[in-house]
Amino acid sequence: AQSVTQLDSQVPVFEEAPVELRCNYSSSVSVYLFWYVQYPNQGLQLLLKYLSGSTLVKGINGFEAEFNKSQTSFHLRKPSVHISDTAEYFCAVCHTGGFKTIFGAGTRLFVKA
Amino acid sequence: DVKVTQSSRYLVKRTGEKVFLECVQDMDHENMFWYRQDPGLGLRLIYFSYDVKMKEKGDIPEGYSVSREKKERFSLILESASTNQTSMYLCASSLPGQGAIGELFFGEGSRLTVL
Repeated sequence: AQSVTQLDSQVPVFEEAPVELRCNYSSSVSVYLFWYVQYPNQGLQLLLKYLSGSTLVKGINGFEAEFNKSQTSFHLRKPSVHISDTAEYFCAVCHTGGFKTIFGAGTRLFVKA
Repeated sequence: DVKVTQSSRYLVKRTGEKVFLECVQDMDHENMFWYRQDPGLGLRLIYFSYDVKMKEKGDIPEGYSVSREKKERFSLILESASTNQTSMYLCASSLPGQGAIGELFFGEGSRLTVL
């Protein structure tokens, strides 16, 4: 069985500062990894995904994430955040060939002026 | 653009009522999913369907059922609503053959309150 742990429930940060949202996963089989974002009163949308290949994945809105197999981590980063990045971010995992995507509990990012 | 439409954004029901949550997608996706979202718990999979009339239980199917009579429509049914089913319900779909590696497209959610 897979599980996903998002290490921070809330992350406050000032505008234009860098941010890292941490995600660790547990799985006994190969997995695919995802980050989704949920803006207030909206559904989730995909930020980026890791399937294979380069461990550094770039997504929309200037976000990127790095897959670290030895540490079973997939942390999300952005070098300079904007007010509009205020949202909830979900890390998710699915084992290769499966249908079920397992989500973490989410991290609320608050960007302050 | 893919559009996943959930028929009701906000519902208030009473304990014991039967509740239908409808979801329609317009991109011919074969895979459809119902998740429940609760603070601090993230999203938990209730049921999914990979074809018309096919359904599979997710992690928390108790108290729920689903119906997939047409490819574009996936309904979640609460036979007898209870207060612990007060939650945000999210429908999602994905492309065929990519249930595990493709992008999940989500609706805007249905916030259900059971009194």
